[in-house]
Amino acid sequence: GAVVSQHPSWVICKSGTSVKIECRSLDFQATTMFWYRQFPKQSLMLMATSNEGSKATYEQGVEKDKFLINHASLTLSTLTVTSAHPEDSSFYICSAREGAAKNIQYFGAGTRLSVL
Amino acid sequence: AQTVTQSQPEMSVQEAETVTLSCTYDTSESNYYLFWYKQPPSRQMILVIRQEAYKQQNATENRFSVNFQKAAKSFSLKISDSQLGDTAMYFCAFMKQDNQGGKLIFGQGTELSVKP
Repeated sequence: GAVVSQHPSWVICKSGTSVKIECRSLDFQATTMFWYRQFPKQSLMLMATSNEGSKATYEQGVEKDKFLINHASLTLSTLTVTSAHPEDSSFYICSAREGAAKNIQYFGAGTRLSVL
Repeated sequence: AQTVTQSQPEMSVQEAETVTLSCTYDTSESNYYLFWYKQPPSRQMILVIRQEAYKQQNATENRFSVNFQKAAKSFSLKISDSQLGDTAMYFCAFMKQDNQGGKLIFGQGTELSVKP
């Protein structure tokens, strides 16, 4: 299957700082990427849909100024958590959609964010 | 709006035995995709199996098979000859067949433990 790389896998930051998470599709072009948040023992919650070259579409209740998404190329999307606070601590996962015909999402390994 | 329900928060099975995980969904769409994803302790989401709603034949992937009942809106996963490596959280997911980005809607998850 297709490979999606997510970096970093774990980041610890101080409250008030910003953190950037990268998501790359390594062997395919991803016109659409997705960002999820997952709390322990819970399901994935979709935060936003990222389309290459256009603004991201955020789910209801997700602060777009807090979670900045950029999808500048067909293989890279970034999520920046701005002015992070302890309540932003969570597991963030990206996925990339391989082609409209297949309609399969491949997932990155996730990023554990801890805000002190 | 579409919803996905997994009514079994936890299940356990003896190694080499067979286990079935339940999933029901609600939608007014006629064309869609259904998926089972596995999330082991590493938290990497792995695609287990995929079913296209217009196909009557149940999908199979080695030891994994589904029982897709479209009228009943049911999509259960059967794992045969369970292995210790099957221990994971399993998520059922729904995707509309459209050109609007392919969002996945996840169920709550079933935590499966395979016991030696």
